[in-house]
Amino acid sequence: RKEVEQDPGPFNVPEGATVAFNCTYSNSASQSFFWYRQDCRKEPKLLMSVYSSGNEDGRFTAQLNRASQYISLLIRDSKLSDSATYLCVVNMNTGFQKLVFGTGTRLLVSP
Amino acid sequence: EPEVTQTPSHQVTQMGQEVILRCVPISNHLYFYWYRQILGQKVEFLVSFYNNEISEKSEIFDDQFSVERPDGSNFTLKIRSTKLEDSAMYFCARSAGNSGNTIYFGEGSWLTVV
Repeated sequence: RKEVEQDPGPFNVPEGATVAFNCTYSNSASQSFFWYRQDCRKEPKLLMSVYSSGNEDGRFTAQLNRASQYISLLIRDSKLSDSATYLCVVNMNTGFQKLVFGTGTRLLVSP
Repeated sequence: EPEVTQTPSHQVTQMGQEVILRCVPISNHLYFYWYRQILGQKVEFLVSFYNNEISEKSEIFDDQFSVERPDGSNFTLKIRSTKLEDSAMYFCARSAGNSGNTIYFGEGSWLTVV
């Protein structure tokens, strides 16, 4: 089983749509969780951290289910500028921080 | 403004040549990392570095790789004898602390081995 697994997509949605991405991780000892955004041939940029209580940042909502080892990201009212690859990232924190990345889910928002 | 400045942005090198990739963290953070991303694949951890020592490294980080912070500022990744499969984007990253702190990535150095 992959350490962090995501549907690669692409997800093609019209502007204004709501889209959800899911991610599962295999190591129950994982400490912290993130969604990063990556544009083509650019560096990963932190979108948001993910907490068990769920957290929201504007149009973005992230959820963590530790029991199921499942992470989600919901994007409401999609914008053209949301087109990117969304990376599910788990911090193993084995004494020192070590991020494990999923392969990413590609989102294409069209007019 | 990037959290971390990396040079070069792109380098083409012949197989077997040595390559040094450089990273200049803007803040005074103490924890540094190198990650790489082969085209079309996921981002992979290479090594973490704290207090001028390697704290953890992955299986990818074999004897042909080394890291150092020679002048207390620049953080370098050296690949001693490049192979074709070393072609990738190499990202330097930093964090403020060890536990639960966000890791910020530089813009990357794109290495092409021919």
